[in-house]
Amino acid sequence: ELKVEQNPLFLSMQEGKNYTIYCNYSTTSDRLYWYRQDPGKSLESLFVLLSNGAVKQEGRLMASLDTKARLSTLHITAAVHDLSATYFCAGSNFGNEKLTFGTGTRLTIIP
Amino acid sequence: DVKVTQSSRYLVKRTGEKVFLECVQDMDHENMFWYRQDPGLGLRLIYFSYDVKMKEKGDIPEGYSVSREKKERFSLILESASTNQTSMYLCASSPLQGINQPQHFGDGTRLSIL
Repeated sequence: ELKVEQNPLFLSMQEGKNYTIYCNYSTTSDRLYWYRQDPGKSLESLFVLLSNGAVKQEGRLMASLDTKARLSTLHITAAVHDLSATYFCAGSNFGNEKLTFGTGTRLTIIP
Repeated sequence: DVKVTQSSRYLVKRTGEKVFLECVQDMDHENMFWYRQDPGLGLRLIYFSYDVKMKEKGDIPEGYSVSREKKERFSLILESASTNQTSMYLCASSPLQGINQPQHFGDGTRLSIL
């Protein structure tokens, strides 16, 4: 059974700083997703990572996947206030669309 | 753009009532999912469906059932609502297995059971 752990659960950071959110998973996962959720809103897809060494970037966010370490990271560069949100990672088992989500990281960017 | 529509944003029901949550998607997706979201627990899968009239249990199916009579519609049913089913419920859809697309989520239904 796939288990997904995220840390930290809460993160306050100042504008302009860099930080990383970590996502560890317990067994083989053939793909890893990152989602963003604003308060009272639905989940918005950010990245889909499909293979070892995959790196994707969108603006100040960069996601990577290391399947050997069973680790994905979401790196935030020079944070700005509008990145404040809850970020979720999710993995799925081979050949199965069922996703297992981490508990989420609530990110607050302080001016 | 994919549109996943949940019938209610907020719903208040009483203990013991039968509750229906409806979800409709407009992109002809084969897969549909129901999750509940609780603080500190992330999203947990209740049921999912790969095709019309097909359903499979997720991680927490107890106290719930589902119905998929048409491809675009997936209903979650609380047979006899209890207070521990107070939660945010999220519906999602995705294309057929093997196509590496993310699941697309609706806006959620915040359900309170009194």
